[in-house]
Amino acid sequence: DQQVKQNSPSLSVQEGRISILNCDYTNSMFDYFLWYKKYPAEGPTFLISISSIKDKNEDGRFTVFLNKSAKHLSLHIVPSQPGDSAVYFCAARTPNSGGSNYKLTFGKGTLLTVNP
Amino acid sequence: DGGITQSPKYLFRKEGQNVTLSCEQNLNHDAMYWYRQDPGQGLRLIYYSQIVNDFQKGDIAEGYSVSREKKESFPLTVTSAQKNPTAFYLCASSISSRIGYEQYFGPGTRLTVT
Repeated sequence: DQQVKQNSPSLSVQEGRISILNCDYTNSMFDYFLWYKKYPAEGPTFLISISSIKDKNEDGRFTVFLNKSAKHLSLHIVPSQPGDSAVYFCAARTPNSGGSNYKLTFGKGTLLTVNP
Repeated sequence: DGGITQSPKYLFRKEGQNVTLSCEQNLNHDAMYWYRQDPGQGLRLIYYSQIVNDFQKGDIAEGYSVSREKKESFPLTVTSAQKNPTAFYLCASSISSRIGYEQYFGPGTRLTVT
């Protein structure tokens, strides 16, 4: 059962335009959401996060929106740059049984290609 | 520089052999994690460790083993019992699995078993 879903395997946009990456989740226990960026043959790097008590978080060109009622979040990149071309993973945090620690559940990723 | 190192970057083994993947961090993080990534798949949690001499199974622990004898090190052994060992393996760490949410990842090891 996939609790974090990224339904678009790939997305292609023109340089300078907006990139919107989407993520849906099913587990209402998730309390924190994160976006990671990954280049081929490298480990993911943390990009931006948002708490479940907020609906927006912004960091430079990156903004994450959370719609808790729809169990949906999105990452907006404006303006998109060729260097943004990578796989973007959505991840959600949930406490393990007993609530003593947390683990992350990842989506399958979306490959973003920004064309010059 | 602080960070996470994984070695080697590429590893080849014959079927039936155990193989150990290295993960070292100098970030002074308490928690460490092992993930596996397959093509078209997200990252799946194999094992994690909250503190030295303690570790728990993740979602796909079968066929793997770990140890955490030192804070800096969290090696993963892929045993011959793992049915599909060929994958990209990622190690991560965080300040604490209790309060930390941001995990820092190493560069990964691509294991190929033939």
